[in-house]
Amino acid sequence: DQQVKQNSPSLSVQEGRISILNCDYTNSMFDYFLWYKKYPAEGPTFLISISSIKDKNEDGRFTVFLNKSAKHLSLHIVPSQPGDSAVYFCAASEDNYGQNFVFGPGTRLSVLP
Amino acid sequence: ETGVTQSPTHLIKTRGQQVTLRCSSQSGHNTVSWYQQALGQGPQFIFQYYREEENGRGNFPPRFSGLQFPNYSSELNVNALELDDSALYLCASSFGSSYNSPLHFGNGTRLTVT
Repeated sequence: DQQVKQNSPSLSVQEGRISILNCDYTNSMFDYFLWYKKYPAEGPTFLISISSIKDKNEDGRFTVFLNKSAKHLSLHIVPSQPGDSAVYFCAASEDNYGQNFVFGPGTRLSVLP
Repeated sequence: ETGVTQSPTHLIKTRGQQVTLRCSSQSGHNTVSWYQQALGQGPQFIFQYYREEENGRGNFPPRFSGLQFPNYSSELNVNALELDDSALYLCASSFGSSYNSPLHFGNGTRLTVT
């Protein structure tokens, strides 16, 4: 049973527009959430994180929104750039010890020029 | 600053054999985590090492074992390989063990078990 779900395997967006990547989770004990980006033949790269005491965290073009009651988070990329084309993973953890993050299956984002 | 390096990049083994994968942490990092990523799935936590001790383990059988050395490099050992062990194995290092110390991943070792 997947505790972290990313129901869209792929997403295509025009350059300059907003990309919205969604993530749902089932474990109400999850309190820490991260987004990673992965290019082919490379390891995942950390993008942005949020803890459950917040509902929004922003870093440049990237904003993560958390709706704890709905067990849903989303990553917004504005404006989208061709270099953002990658697989995006949502990850969640119950504790603050940086271990045992549960990853979703990923969403492949394609930003079209 | 040297990133996380893993060796080898690719490996082919036969069912029943044993394998050792290696990881050098990013400089300044003292915590190493190992993840298994099967095709089409997200990485799955195997275990974490902090100061040479196992500091947490995911749902993997005991034939998956690890080591961390005084220089914070690490090994992942898998005994009695099974076909389902075919996956990308990712090593990640961090400073300390906190969600505020995000994982820095290597490029992985692609293991194929035939």
